[in-house]
Amino acid sequence: DSGVTQTPKHLITATGQRVTLRCSPRSGDLSVYWYQQSLDQGLQFLIQYYNGEERAKGNILERFSAQQFPDLHSELNLSSLELGDSALYFCASSGERALWDEQFFGPGTRLTVL
Amino acid sequence: AQRVTQPEKLLSVFKGAPVELKCNYSYSGSPELFWYVQYSRQRLQLLLRHISRESIKGFTADLNKGETSFHLKKPFAQEEDSAMYYCALYTGRRALTFGSGTRLQVQP
Repeated sequence: DSGVTQTPKHLITATGQRVTLRCSPRSGDLSVYWYQQSLDQGLQFLIQYYNGEERAKGNILERFSAQQFPDLHSELNLSSLELGDSALYFCASSGERALWDEQFFGPGTRLTVL
Repeated sequence: AQRVTQPEKLLSVFKGAPVELKCNYSYSGSPELFWYVQYSRQRLQLLLRHISRESIKGFTADLNKGETSFHLKKPFAQEEDSAMYYCALYTGRRALTFGSGTRLQVQP
């Protein structure tokens, strides 16, 4: 599968814990985006990385952080988890060959905080 | 701040009926708007973008700047159109602002 991959598919953890979500972009894509989809908030943009550097920030909490590694995969770290962090976390990638390049989405990681 | 509103959580129609999924936006700049679709057990994928002015799978969407709307339309719904539809606004920061989505149910 040369599309965007995300691991794990599901994650169940307790409040106060820390988790790491992983995303591998499509081959050749330099940009990675993270989105959070919760029942009451819809799909919200969290953060974007381009070729290893943070490029844009959305509604990302201070308890959350992300990075993009030299091989272009990205990790989203969520700490001091709260019940309200339970959501589907999507990663998307794009090539940025134009001003706006189509974003291709991964299957998502479903996080449940108990 | 930019905002995308999809007023309907669920739209249920019969096969062959016309479909209109509503989307309104607020943005002070020049908007670029998109419709994304998520079929059951599939990934979110781009359906169409307003600057292409194309018809995809029979769907069209016209940007109406006066009404700040970008409604998605199809004259005759098919069962395979059943999916979750998201309207999205590109605000020039290379990120998308999504609406809350509308589930389209096409009944036989």
